Amino acid sequence: AQSVSQHNHHVILSEAASLELGCNYSYGGTVNLFWYVQYPGQHLQLLLKYFSGDPLVKGIKGFEAEFIKSKFSFNLRKPSVQWSDTAEYFCAVNAGNAGNMLTFGGGTRLMVKP
Amino acid sequence: EAQVTQNPRYLITVTGKKLTVTCSQNMNHEYMSWYRQDPGLGLRQIYYSMNVEVTDKGDVPEGYKVSRKEKRNFPLILESPSPNQTSLYFCASSRSTYYEQYFGPGTRLTVT
Repeated sequence: AQSVSQHNHHVILSEAASLELGCNYSYGGTVNLFWYVQYPGQHLQLLLKYFSGDPLVKGIKGFEAEFIKSKFSFNLRKPSVQWSDTAEYFCAVNAGNAGNMLTFGGGTRLMVKP
Repeated sequence: EAQVTQNPRYLITVTGKKLTVTCSQNMNHEYMSWYRQDPGLGLRQIYYSMNVEVTDKGDVPEGYKVSRKEKRNFPLILESPSPNQTSLYFCASSRSTYYEQYFGPGTRLTVT
C-alpha cells in the first residue's frame, strides 16, 4: 500500500524566512503528487500538483515543489513566507498501483510570526 | 457557484444510533470521496466513487457505508457509530484523481 510521510509536524518561522516542508512517499512506480493547504477555518485548497514533465512545479501564492524520483520526495518550498501563510499543509499521492485511491500525509502545521 | 456541501456541519450522537452525513456537488464531477481528519494522522480516505453505482474502499472503510445513486450525491452512512469514529469528516469531488479535489466544509462528528 502507498504511504506518505511528512516529517515536520510543526514549523514556526518568522516572516521573510525561507520554507521547506518535507514529503516522502513509499511507491516506486508512477505517481501523481499534490500539495494542499488548509487555512484556519477554511476548506482544503490545492497549492500545486505534479503528474509528469518538469520536476520543478510552481503553484499558487509563490509556492513551488520539486519531485526527486530517486529520493521518493516532493518537498514544498517558498523563498519568503508571510504571516498569511500560517496554515496546515498536506502532501498527497496517487500511486499507479493504487487505482483511484488518494493518500495524504499527516500534515505540517506552519505558524509564521509577524 | 461551484461547491461541495455537507450536512450537518456538527453532530453529536450516541453509540449505536445510525446516522447519515450528506454530501452534494454541483460541478458534475464523476469522482467523489470521503475522508476523516484526525490530529497527527492527516486525512485518511474512507471510500471513493468513480461514478454512479461505482464505489470502492479507501484506507479506513471499516464501520462506514456509502452509496452513489446519483452523480451529485455521495452520502456517508454510519450504521452503528462508535466513539472511535469521533472525527472531522470531509467530502470531496473532482473530475478524477488526476485533477484538483474540491473539498466540502467538513462535518465534525462526536460519538459519546
